[in-house]
Amino acid sequence: GQNIDQPTEMTATEGAIVQINCTYQTSGFNGLFWYQQHAGEAPTFLSYNVLDGLEEKGRFSSFLSRSKGYSYLLLKELQMKDSASYLCAVMDSNYQLIWGAGTKLIIKP
Amino acid sequence: TAGITQAPTSQILAAGRSMTLRCTQDMRHNAMYWYRQDLGLGLRLIHYSNTAGTTGKGEVPDGYSVSRANTDDFPLTLASAVPSQTSVYFCASRVGEEGYNEQFFGPGTRLTVL
Repeated sequence: GQNIDQPTEMTATEGAIVQINCTYQTSGFNGLFWYQQHAGEAPTFLSYNVLDGLEEKGRFSSFLSRSKGYSYLLLKELQMKDSASYLCAVMDSNYQLIWGAGTKLIIKP
Repeated sequence: TAGITQAPTSQILAAGRSMTLRCTQDMRHNAMYWYRQDLGLGLRLIHYSNTAGTTGKGEVPDGYSVSRANTDDFPLTLASAVPSQTSVYFCASRVGEEGYNEQFFGPGTRLTVL
């Protein structure tokens, strides 16, 4: 079967760094996406990885290891507005996205 | 541009009634998707369309139907609603079915079936 695992909830402090992990087992792999979703809103695209390594985009970075079926999203210099759910999704062999349940990130002052 | 719009924003529906959720995009994207999102679960694909005139079943298609008469519109119909269809429904689109291109999401429709 296909499975995406990520922690249900994490708490971090404003100004700090947090790493959100995602492990996956899917039928085929055509890339991994991270999305941000604020409460009551639609998901919005953050990053895409298809090759191993780190992709940096401002305060956010995403890492992929295809051999380990593992990715993480790194958020630096946390701001209160970063309080949201972070969704990991893998594009399978049929180019459909398989979604994790999301990690709710709570930022404390 | 508006991107993707969905209507209604929210709806309370009596069990057994039918309803159509509307989705329109103005980005000329070929591929469109309907998901439902339930607490504690990831987004689950209901139906998809890779191009106008074609549709396919996703992970949870039972009780739902779709049509894709043109590029812009992708309505989702519940023929006879049941309480288990209470959920938040998101429509999404992307340029094409293959390759790297992210999905863009509409604002969602919150549906309650009583």
